[in-house]
Amino acid sequence: NAGVTQTPKFQVLKTGQSMTLQCAQDMNHNSMYWYRQDPGMGLRLIYYSASEGTTDKGEVPNGYNVSRLNKREFSLRLESAAPSQTSVYFCASIVAGGQGEQFFGPGTRLTVL
Amino acid sequence: QKEVEQNSGPLSVPEGAIASLNCTYSDRGSQSFFWYRQYSGKSPELIMFIYSNGDKEDGRFTAQLNKASQYVSLLIRDSQPSDSATYLCARESSYKLIFGSGTRLLVRP
Repeated sequence: NAGVTQTPKFQVLKTGQSMTLQCAQDMNHNSMYWYRQDPGMGLRLIYYSASEGTTDKGEVPNGYNVSRLNKREFSLRLESAAPSQTSVYFCASIVAGGQGEQFFGPGTRLTVL
Repeated sequence: QKEVEQNSGPLSVPEGAIASLNCTYSDRGSQSFFWYRQYSGKSPELIMFIYSNGDKEDGRFTAQLNKASQYVSLLIRDSQPSDSATYLCARESSYKLIFGSGTRLLVRP
C-alpha cells in the first residue's frame, strides 16, 4: 500500500516550457487535491477533484490545469511555466471531502528558471 | 484578513516544557479543524482533528477549540527535540482544507 505517490520528485524548467505533475493514490479515495507551498507560507489549494469526473478551482488556479484521469490519478499541468510557479507541489487525497484526514504525497520540488 | 492565521514563530521552548500553538479563523461557520505537523523537506502529516468545543487529548497532544472566540490551539506536553517542526492549522470548508501559514516550533535540548 503505497498511499499517495507523486512524480517527479524534482524538476527544473525554463520559462515557457510545459510539464505535467503526476499523482496517484491506492486508497480508493474519492477526493484529490493539488497544493503549492512557498517558503514561509502554508499550503495553498490550486485545484481539487471532489469525485471522479469533477474538478474545481481552488485559491490559486491561474496558470494550471488538471485532469482527473480516473479514481486513482489526478494530474496537474503547467502549460507555460513562469518563475512565479517555482514552488513545492503536494498532492493529497481523502476518502471524501470533509470526512477526516487528508493524506499527502511526498511532494514535487519545481524550479522555473 | 487571512482566513486562518498563525504566528509564524519560531516558538522556542526547552525540552520537557509545554508548547502552546495558536490559530484564529475568520469564518464563524467553520466546523472542523485540523493540526498537521510538517518536518523540513517533508509532507504534512495529521496530528489531530477537532470538531466540538472544548478539549481533545491524544497522548502528549491536546487540541482546544473555542468557536465563540474563533480560535484553535494545540498543546504539546513534555516537548521533545523531535517535536521541532512546523505546525499547520487548517479548517474544513466545503470539502476543502484552508491552511494557515504555520508556526515553526523549536524544542531546545
